[in-house]
Amino acid sequence: GQQVMQIPQYQHVQEGEDFTTYCNSSTTLSNIQWYKQRPGGHPVFLIQLVKSGEVKKQKRLTFQFGEAKKNSSLHITATQTTDVGTYFCANNQGGKLIFGQGTELSVKP
Amino acid sequence: EPEVTQTPSHQVTQMGQEVILRCVPISNHLYFYWYRQILGQKVEFLVSFYNNEISEKSEIFDDQFSVERPDGSNFTLKIRSTKLEDSAMYFCASSQTSGSGATQYFGPGTRLLVL
Repeated sequence: GQQVMQIPQYQHVQEGEDFTTYCNSSTTLSNIQWYKQRPGGHPVFLIQLVKSGEVKKQKRLTFQFGEAKKNSSLHITATQTTDVGTYFCANNQGGKLIFGQGTELSVKP
Repeated sequence: EPEVTQTPSHQVTQMGQEVILRCVPISNHLYFYWYRQILGQKVEFLVSFYNNEISEKSEIFDDQFSVERPDGSNFTLKIRSTKLEDSAMYFCASSQTSGSGATQYFGPGTRLLVL
């Protein structure tokens, strides 16, 4: 099945700095979903992208799906301490979610 | 807002013992899933379930694993003879619809420790 690779594994930022995590696949993806997992918590669905070149925004979060539908990114502008957690991309394959390795974000106040 | 619930939150067991992890999916959801996350690693799909049947299972979901919907509200994962490597967080999820467009809602998880 299709795998998704995610980088970086960890990102430490100062509060107010921007943050980006990237997700890549060697094959075309029909969709990409993004989840946030707070420390000790469970994955929480953020958004789904399905169209080539799609860009969606949620307040300070910008999600992008590549033109070739092989990559995606999540960008957070001006991070806050509440953004702390692990961000996962996932490909939904007919109900089966295939997750990337996740990017753990820590924010120093 | 409706939530997926899971019990117990933590389970410690001896190797070789059977464990049953319980989940109550969101009430009007028809599709159910189990995932696991070994500490510090990514979330891995185990099994999907619909209409009292397994829809799909991963390589991890071997003969030691089984799922059941014993009544109208519970969805259980049984590990028949636990191994050390079964230690992980187990998440239940549910969705109202199926397929690639469906949003899955995750429960808080059960942390299983096999000694």
